[in-house]
Amino acid sequence: NAGVTQTPKFQVLKTGQSMTLQCAQDMNHNSMYWYRQDPGMGLRLIYYSASEGTTDKGEVPNGYNVSRLNKREFSLRLESAAPSQTSVYFCASSDRVNYNEQFFGPGTRLTVL
Amino acid sequence: GESVGLHLPTLSVQEGDNSIINCAYSNSASDYFIWYKQESGKGPQFIIDIRSNMDKRQGQRVTVLLNKTVKHLSLQIAATQPGDSAVYFCAEMETGTASKLTFGTGTRLQVTL
Repeated sequence: NAGVTQTPKFQVLKTGQSMTLQCAQDMNHNSMYWYRQDPGMGLRLIYYSASEGTTDKGEVPNGYNVSRLNKREFSLRLESAAPSQTSVYFCASSDRVNYNEQFFGPGTRLTVL
Repeated sequence: GESVGLHLPTLSVQEGDNSIINCAYSNSASDYFIWYKQESGKGPQFIIDIRSNMDKRQGQRVTVLLNKTVKHLSLQIAATQPGDSAVYFCAEMETGTASKLTFGTGTRLQVTL
């Protein structure tokens, strides 16, 4: 099992450019999440998907959109990147029974110039 | 909004000693409290959780204590090893919120030889 995978690992964008961060999990989990982590801070929830076909806003959704493509995949899109979106982005998943245990991917380090 | 915070940003401990990492929370409606470990360059990894109706839970070399009276959570690591060096986050969850976690800012644990 690969667990949670994220692509790309690193990305540099110019202000105004768009991109999509990809996330996939092979654990048959129902719920998936996108977080951002800024230096010296904890993780903040951007969007989440409690189950296939549903998505909801988290704490910091502005400037982002998400798509739950199927049960395995949950993508995060930046339509017009801004320097304030420079961060490390983590995708996570959890199942219905052990929902406290979220499994995290390795992260995508994004720099917006 | 509600937040989870930590008292000490960095904790240095000698190998073999016990470590205690503290966390203060403010959402009295939280049902679960969870500890995550994040090694450099990796995503967070679940360590242990505790339900709000408990005051102590033990795992392998780790113990979590919950004091609801003062809204305080701690993680104790016995016989700290170099592999325990990481940033530790506490997080809280309120059931009915689709397993959304609110993370604290983190404590860095440095294990000295």
